[in-house]
Amino acid sequence: QQQVKQSPQSLIVQKGGISIINCAYENTAFDYFPWYQQFPGKGPALLIAIRPDVSEKKEGRFTISFNKSAKQFSLHIMDSQPGDSATYFCAASREGSQGNLIFGKGTKLSVKP
Amino acid sequence: DGGITQSPKYLFRKEGQNVTLSCEQNLNHDAMYWYRQDPGQGLRLIYYSQIVNDFQKGDIAEGYSVSREKKESFPLTVTSAQKNPTAFYLCASSLGTGETGELFFGEGSRLTVL
Repeated sequence: QQQVKQSPQSLIVQKGGISIINCAYENTAFDYFPWYQQFPGKGPALLIAIRPDVSEKKEGRFTISFNKSAKQFSLHIMDSQPGDSATYFCAASREGSQGNLIFGKGTKLSVKP
Repeated sequence: DGGITQSPKYLFRKEGQNVTLSCEQNLNHDAMYWYRQDPGQGLRLIYYSQIVNDFQKGDIAEGYSVSREKKESFPLTVTSAQKNPTAFYLCASSLGTGETGELFFGEGSRLTVL
């Protein structure tokens, strides 16, 4: 119930293509769904986040799509660039959990020039 | 510059030795966290603290200890009881109690047990 399942484990995309990473959860009490980006040797940094009252949130080339009934959410990276090559983590938390995030296992994205 | 400072960046330890990882933040955040990262495993919560002098175990607290004597500091001790301590350790902070919101991470400490 506490897990967040992320796929794929790794992804290779050509420059200019669309990168799509998917996550699924079981706990319907989750109410906050962030995505973190991590470059090698660095700590993760918040990329974009969504709450379940909206189905989509867009920030520049990054979009979260959220399907509450299916308990799934995904990250879309439009016009992918080599600089987007990183590991991406989805996460979830619920109100009252004192901010504790449950992380997916990560997706290593490589964008080929 | 506001942020989280972890030290050391790299640390080597012999089996049977305790080692302490430092984490300092100047963001005036109430909450602080320690995560462990292993390849293909994501981030797993070790300990967290919402206020000074109080902390709670996360999912994988066995073999670790923490203290929170000051708001800005949250050191993690990896004890000899931790059976597989080689990993990348990440410290994070957030605004505070009961909030779901952004975690700010440090750059991590990589511990290798020889």
